[in-house]
Amino acid sequence: QKEVEQDPGPLSVPEGAIVSLNCTYSNSAFQYFMWYRQYSRKGPELLMYTYSSGNKEDGRFTAQVDKSSKYISLFIRDSQPSDSATYLCAMSDNQGGKLIFGQGTELSVKP
Amino acid sequence: SAVISQKPSRDICQRGTSLTIQCQVDSQVTMMFWYRQQPGQSLTLIATANQGSEATYESGFVIDKFPISRPNLTFSTLTVSNMSPEDSSIYLCSVEADRPYEQYFGPGTRLTVT
Repeated sequence: QKEVEQDPGPLSVPEGAIVSLNCTYSNSAFQYFMWYRQYSRKGPELLMYTYSSGNKEDGRFTAQVDKSSKYISLFIRDSQPSDSATYLCAMSDNQGGKLIFGQGTELSVKP
Repeated sequence: SAVISQKPSRDICQRGTSLTIQCQVDSQVTMMFWYRQQPGQSLTLIATANQGSEATYESGFVIDKFPISRPNLTFSTLTVSNMSPEDSSIYLCSVEADRPYEQYFGPGTRLTVT
């Protein structure tokens, strides 16, 4: 079993839709939860960062962490074609900055 | 934020040869990381490279196959040795940012081994 599981998609939605992206994990030691966005032929860039459980909102993006269920989510409201990218969840415990990534979900937002 | 460049951006190599990938950062950083991103797979950490010390390799990766150099605080190289088609992948370097557990990534090197 992988430490982090993420549905690879691809996911295609119309412009303006609400998008839900999810990851599950097995390591209860994870404390830091991140969402990275990766455009085609580019390196990943940090989108959202959450420590421990709870919600965090940044504009159209909301990150949720449920440590009791070992489940994290990223919601994108009013999705735009510019949101078309691969979204990777990443997690870490306190071990020297090592990140464990999910497989990534490829999202396409159609105008 | 740090700006990271990688060379080459892509290459096609023959089986049995070696390729050295360069990673240059525009500021001094302590920790640099090398990842592999295989088609349809997650980013997998190969090793962590600190300046002035031996790189620390993750399970499944060995120094003979992926030797790493870290001569100063802005530069690192990863060599993929004795390549096989299974080494075809995107190789990315990253550096630790100011916020804990945030990393800045380079654009990647797309390697195809024939």
